[in-house]
Amino acid sequence: AQSVSQHNHHVILSEAASLELGCNYSYGGTVNLFWYVQYPGQHLQLLLKYFSGDPLVKGIKGFEAEFIKSKFSFNLRKPSVQWSDTAEYFCAVNARTGNQFYFGTGTSLTVIP
Amino acid sequence: KAGVTQTPRYLIKTRGQQVTLSCSPISGHRSVSWYQQTPGQGLQFLFEYFSETQRNKGNFPGRFSGRQFSNSRSEMNVSTLELGDSALYLCASSLTSGGYLPSYNEQFFGPGTRLTVL
Repeated sequence: AQSVSQHNHHVILSEAASLELGCNYSYGGTVNLFWYVQYPGQHLQLLLKYFSGDPLVKGIKGFEAEFIKSKFSFNLRKPSVQWSDTAEYFCAVNARTGNQFYFGTGTSLTVIP
Repeated sequence: KAGVTQTPRYLIKTRGQQVTLSCSPISGHRSVSWYQQTPGQGLQFLFEYFSETQRNKGNFPGRFSGRQFSNSRSEMNVSTLELGDSALYLCASSLTSGGYLPSYNEQFFGPGTRLTVL
C-alpha cells in the first residue's frame, strides 16, 4: 500500500523567513503528487500539483515544489512566508493508474508577524 | 460551477446513535471520496465511490458505510456512534475516469461536516 510521510508536524516561522516542508511517499509506480492547504476555518484547497514534465512546479501564492523521483520526495518551498500563510499543509499522492488518494498527516505552519 | 457541498455542517449526537452525512459533488464529477480528519491523524481515507459502486475502502470498521446515487450524490452513514467518531468528515469529488485509465485529476473538497459525539 502507498503511504505519505510529512516530517514536520509543527513549524513556526517569522515573516520573511524561508519555508521548506518535507514530503516522502512510498510507491514504486508512476504517481501524481499534490500539496493542499487548509487555512483556518476554510476548505482544503489545492496549492499545486505534479503530473509529469518539469519536476519543479509552481503553485499559487508563491509556493513551489520539487519532485525528486530518486528520493521519492515532493518538498514544498516558499522563499519568504507571510502571516497569511498560517495554515495546515497536506501532501498527497495518487497512483497514476489508481483512484485512491493518500494524504500525509499534515504540517501546521504558524507565521509570526 | 458550484463547489462540493456537504450537509449538515454541524452535528451533535450521543453514543449509540447513528448519523447520515450527505455530499453533492461538482457537476460532472463521478468520483466521490470520504475522509475523516482529526488533529494529529490528518486525513484518513474512508471510501471512494464511482458510478454508484464502491471502488476503494479504507481501514474503518463496518459501522462506517456509504453509497452513491445515480446523480453522483453520496451519503455516508455511521451506526452505533462512539466518542472516538468525533471528527470533521470531508467529502471530495474528482473527474477521475472509470476503469484503469491513467488519471490526471485532483480532488476538490467540500467544507466538511463537524460531528461531535457526546
